[in-house]
Order: sequence, then structure tokens, then C-alpha cells
Amino acid sequence: DTEVTQTPKHLVMGMTNKKSLKCEQHMGHRAMYWYKQKAKKPPELMFVYSYEKLSINESVPSRFSPECPNSSLLNLHLHALQPEDSALYLCASSQRTSGDFSSYNEQFFGPGTRLTVL
Amino acid sequence: AQTVTQSQPEMSVQEAETVTLSCTYDTSESNYYLFWYKQPPSRQMILVIRQEAYKQQNATENRFSVNFQKAAKSFSLKISDSQLGDTAMYFCAFTNSGGSNYKLTFGKGTLLTVNP
Repeated sequence: DTEVTQTPKHLVMGMTNKKSLKCEQHMGHRAMYWYKQKAKKPPELMFVYSYEKLSINESVPSRFSPECPNSSLLNLHLHALQPEDSALYLCASSQRTSGDFSSYNEQFFGPGTRLTVL
Repeated sequence: AQTVTQSQPEMSVQEAETVTLSCTYDTSESNYYLFWYKQPPSRQMILVIRQEAYKQQNATENRFSVNFQKAAKSFSLKISDSQLGDTAMYFCAFTNSGGSNYKLTFGKGTLLTVNP
């Protein structure tokens, strides 16, 4: 199974709502990532989890709250978002974490959640 | 800090022809990895091809090949026999081989359209 799955595919929410995005992988990968992608732009890294612990937080506003319940799951909790947060949210995973000098550490991406904040 | 530059925001090619997408990068590292990712419209980002910096031989995957020029810090992607399904945004990406190799640095992307 070389797939990263994400739910939901589409999400529309108001600025006062609380919602969660979910990501799952069963490749035994120990690093998982959240990216934000605007149309026709490259993905921007938000968070990196390494062995289920948050290792990188790229100065993301606190209205985004990541959670890694176990090595296969990654959630992104959303609260009080702004319209400018509308974007495609991508999850990715990779086999190894930082410090491994021997691999490509290729990242596998999920299909994304298209988020619209009204 | 590493940077990746894709100088062609958009390109088009006729079906069955060959097209080359450009990518240059800047780094002080001696070993690193380079990737080309493809993202079709409203579809998933997938890895097309990868290259390890210490390997002199250019990577090839079926119709996709790279021209890796380490001294020039250039990593172009050649697509042969272009197909309609090759229409996508293509991102060049870089990662260190060392302690921070979790972080991909992306170029701004090239939107490739294959015309029938």
C-alpha cells in the first residue's frame, strides 16, 4: 500500500466553525507533514511530525492545530479560520526522519483537502 | 539557505513532441537530492523522477529523463513523446541529504500543457 489518504476531499466552513482534516498512511513511514498550497503555487510546509512528535512548526498561526494520534494518522484541527486560509491542504509522509543520510527521503503526497472559508 | 528556480512559468508542447523544463538551484551542500514532482489539474502530486547529487549518471524513468549538471547547479527535465496526460504543473524540488532532509524546497512550478 503506497497510498496517503485524506478526508474530506472538500470542506466549506465559516469563520466561527471548528473542523478537522484527517490523513492516513499505512506505509510504515515515521515522518508526516502538513502543507498548504494556493492555486498554481508550490506547497508551503506547515508542520512536520517525526515519530509522532511535532518537530517542525513553520510559524503557523495557532488557529491551525496539528495532532498525531499514532504513527499512521495525522490530523489538522481548524478553528476561527480566515478567508485567506482557503487553500488545498496536503498531507505527505516519508519513510525516514531527519538524520538519515542514506535515503532520498522521498515524500508521498495525499490528494489533499480543498478548504473554503466563508 | 537553499533556493530552487524554475524560470518558465508556462510551457506548451504538441503531442508526441519533446519538451524540456528548466530548473536551477543554489546550495552550499555537497550531497543532496533533487526531484521532479507532477501535479495534474485537481489531482494528486506524484513523484516523476529523482536524482542523488553524488551520482553522475542522469536518472531516467521511461519517457522522463533529467540532465543533471552539478557544477552548473542545473536539473532539467526532458519529456519525450509527450502525451495529453502529461498536462500538469511540474515542480522541481531539493532536499539535503543531512540532518534537515525532511524539508523539501520547491521551485515555483512550470505549467505544462500538451496540445493534441
